[in-house]
Amino acid sequence: AQSVTQPDIHITVSEGASLELRCNYSYGATPYLFWYVQSPGQGLQLLLKYFSGDTLVQGIKGFEAEFKRSQSSFNLRKPSVHWSDAAEYFCAVASYNTDKLIFGTGTRLQVFP
Amino acid sequence: EAGVAQSPRYKIIEKRQSVAFWCNPISGHATLYWYQQILGQGPKLLIQFQNNGVVDDSQLPKDRFSAERLKGVDSTLKIQPAKLEDSAVYLCASSLDRGRSTDTQYFGPGTRLTVL
Repeated sequence: AQSVTQPDIHITVSEGASLELRCNYSYGATPYLFWYVQSPGQGLQLLLKYFSGDTLVQGIKGFEAEFKRSQSSFNLRKPSVHWSDAAEYFCAVASYNTDKLIFGTGTRLQVFP
Repeated sequence: EAGVAQSPRYKIIEKRQSVAFWCNPISGHATLYWYQQILGQGPKLLIQFQNNGVVDDSQLPKDRFSAERLKGVDSTLKIQPAKLEDSAVYLCASSLDRGRSTDTQYFGPGTRLTVL
């Protein structure tokens, strides 16, 4: 069965610092991978997605993620965090067969000025 | 374009009462999803509609939850009777096409349900 693990429940960074949020997936074939962000009181917004091709994916708001098949990982990165990036971040996996998004438990990002 | 609309935003009920949530997807979106997000967890799909037909309701507790999507547009999700463990945020999402995993899902703000 497909699953997603986000090892970090809560991360705190200073504004301007770099960020990496970890995501590991479990799936036999090539997965479809997604990162969503959820701000307080808001719905989830898609940051980026990976289906195939270039393993480094660029998304909105200056985020990028890299698919590493050998490590079953799809970590999210941003070179310089802004206070407005404080939110909860969810990694998700899907497959062509199931069409169903399986979400991780999320990582809450706190940004200090 | 307008996003996915949900109402109410908050609801507090006592256990064994019934409750209904409403969702209006983005205009023209054929696929509609209801998710349950329990505190500290990621969203879990409850039911997926393609137009007004059910595609996947395998994780919907059918003894107490029901959902419909009349005319392939708006949708309502009902819980009757509610249990304490139903306390969660209920998210509605829609996507343009056939609901394949490659389609981008657009989420509404959610309805936060508290069952006392």
